[in-house]
Amino acid sequence: NAGVTQTPKFRILKIGQSMTLQCTQDMNHNYMYWYRQDPGMGLKLIYYSVGAGITDKGEVPNGYNVSRSTTEDFPLRLELAAPSQTSVYFCASYKGDSPLHFGNGTRLTVT
Amino acid sequence: AQSVTQLGSHVSVSEGALVLLRCNYSSSVPPYLFWYVQYPNQGLQLLLKYTSAATLVKGINGFEAEFKKSETSFHLTKPSAHMSDAAEYFCAVSDGGSYIPTFGRGTSLIVHP
Repeated sequence: NAGVTQTPKFRILKIGQSMTLQCTQDMNHNYMYWYRQDPGMGLKLIYYSVGAGITDKGEVPNGYNVSRSTTEDFPLRLELAAPSQTSVYFCASYKGDSPLHFGNGTRLTVT
Repeated sequence: AQSVTQLGSHVSVSEGALVLLRCNYSSSVPPYLFWYVQYPNQGLQLLLKYTSAATLVKGINGFEAEFKKSETSFHLTKPSAHMSDAAEYFCAVSDGGSYIPTFGRGTSLIVHP
């Protein structure tokens, strides 16, 4: 199993550009999450999904969108990038009694 | 609502010394509690979790944590620090079956030779 795979690993965007952060998992987990990590602030939940077709907002959803058309994939969309979205983004998945499985992150810089 | 407070953004210990990382939580229902570790440029990995069974929980790499309901605490300890323990540690809480974890701000563990 590959676990949780995030692409790209790094990206630099200009203000106002858009992009999609990809996340896929091969463990048949029904829960999936997007977090952002900023220095000294821990992880903040952006969006989560409890299964295909179902998504919900977390603590900091503004400026982001998600979709969950399949169990495996949970992409995060930034429509109009802003400097405040400079962060490290982590995707995670979960099912049953397992721990959260994290991807290795996407480091995004908006200039 | 649930929240987590980790006391101390940085903890520095000598190799071989006791490690103590503090975590206090608030939750309106019996909580599930977790400690995760993050090594540089990696995602988080589970160290241990409490889900209402034994109050003393043993995890990987010699770490353990004790759930104390009266103190709303879940501190992480290790008797003897190793250089390889240097990392960022996160405490997290979720309200039982909701499994939407809330993370603390993290504590960076520094281990001196």
